[in-house]
Amino acid sequence: AQSVAQPEDQVNVAEGNPLTVKCTYSVSGNPYLFWYVQYPNRGLQFLLKYITGDNLVKGSYGFEAEFNKSQTSFHLKKPSALVSDSALYFCAVRGIYNQGGKLIFGQGTELSVKP
Amino acid sequence: GAVVSQHPSWVICKSGTSVKIECRSLDFQATTMFWYRQFPKQSLMLMATSNEGSKATYEQGVEKDKFLINHASLTLSTLTVTSAHPEDSSFYICSAGLGRDEQYFGPGTRLTVT
Repeated sequence: AQSVAQPEDQVNVAEGNPLTVKCTYSVSGNPYLFWYVQYPNRGLQFLLKYITGDNLVKGSYGFEAEFNKSQTSFHLKKPSALVSDSALYFCAVRGIYNQGGKLIFGQGTELSVKP
Repeated sequence: GAVVSQHPSWVICKSGTSVKIECRSLDFQATTMFWYRQFPKQSLMLMATSNEGSKATYEQGVEKDKFLINHASLTLSTLTVTSAHPEDSSFYICSAGLGRDEQYFGPGTRLTVT
């Protein structure tokens, strides 16, 4: 069965410091991996995805993520956090054999960036 | 590009009534749309996959007679919550598939049943 885990419910970071939001996955075959961000009472905004190729993926708003097959991880990172980055972050996975393209989401990590 | 809208953004209804939520892909055609439900500060739970011109595929545990989904065109899918009850109060989010990989999400609809 496919699954995604985000082990941290909340991550607190000081503005200007690097941030990491963790994600591990379990899927048969090669995964398609995604990161989305959600601001209060809003839908999800796409940040980045890994399908194939370079393990380091760069996305929107200065975020990047590193695909690590041996550790089955896809952690989201940013070198210097902004207060405006405070939001709810979701990791998602889709197996290549996943009928209909369904995404499986992690439970979400609330990022809080303090000035 | 790839904008998905939802209407209404917020709705309050009385228990026992039905509510329809629309999901539109504004600048692309989506053969597949997805409906999710989200409780406060929790993850998205996939309710159903909606394919244009065919019946929706519901996830296990989702009552298809209560949550009616219609995908009448390549740009419109609707979710109707029938005989709504307070426990149906939630944030409902749709997404539209574009190509093989991308899903674009609507802004969500906050449903409150009194």
